[in-house]
Amino acid sequence: KQEVTQIPAALSVPEGENLVLNCSFTDSAIYNLQWFRQDPGKGLTSLLLIQSSQREQTSGRLNASLDKSSGRSTLYIAASQPGDSATYLCACFTGNQFYFGTGTSLTVIP
Amino acid sequence: DGGITQSPKYLFRKEGQNVTLSCEQNLNHDAMYWYRQDPGQGLRLIYYSQIVNDFQKGDIAEGYSVSREKKESFPLTVTSAQKNPTAFYLCASSTGGRGQPQHFGDGTRLSIL
Repeated sequence: KQEVTQIPAALSVPEGENLVLNCSFTDSAIYNLQWFRQDPGKGLTSLLLIQSSQREQTSGRLNASLDKSSGRSTLYIAASQPGDSATYLCACFTGNQFYFGTGTSLTVIP
Repeated sequence: DGGITQSPKYLFRKEGQNVTLSCEQNLNHDAMYWYRQDPGQGLRLIYYSQIVNDFQKGDIAEGYSVSREKKESFPLTVTSAQKNPTAFYLCASSTGGRGQPQHFGDGTRLSIL
């Protein structure tokens, strides 16, 4: 069964800093990997989706990379802002379903 | 605007009672999903449906039931057999097919009275 891990569980950074969130998975036979943002008490908002044949995707200040062979993905956030404060989750599609990590709670300090 | 609507936002269940969570989408998506989220844990799949009148159990289906009579609707019933139902429930949809991006509703928080 696919296991997805996100480290660290929580992260605090000063505004303006560039940061990297990590996601690792045990089964490299994934169809794709999706990064989400979750605000407190809310649903998930899709940020980026990387197909298994791709190595990275970019959207604005966000860049996600995928290394299937090593079972890793990273989400790079440039020039962080207080509005980026949220929990970030990654999910891998393996078999017939998505498997989710437990998330990284990000706080950007003004 | 197209999207996924979950209702109610908050729900309370008495002991021995069944409750039903609503999920409606107007995205014309074929596939719909129900997840449970507990503090400190990732989302876990309860049930999913790839097409009308068909659905499959996920990893934690015990104590739950679903129906898919219409493409746009996928209600989840939390039965009295689910002994620990307190959680945040999320509904999602996708166009179907393996690995298509999922879109989520705003969730329903279920608590026990």
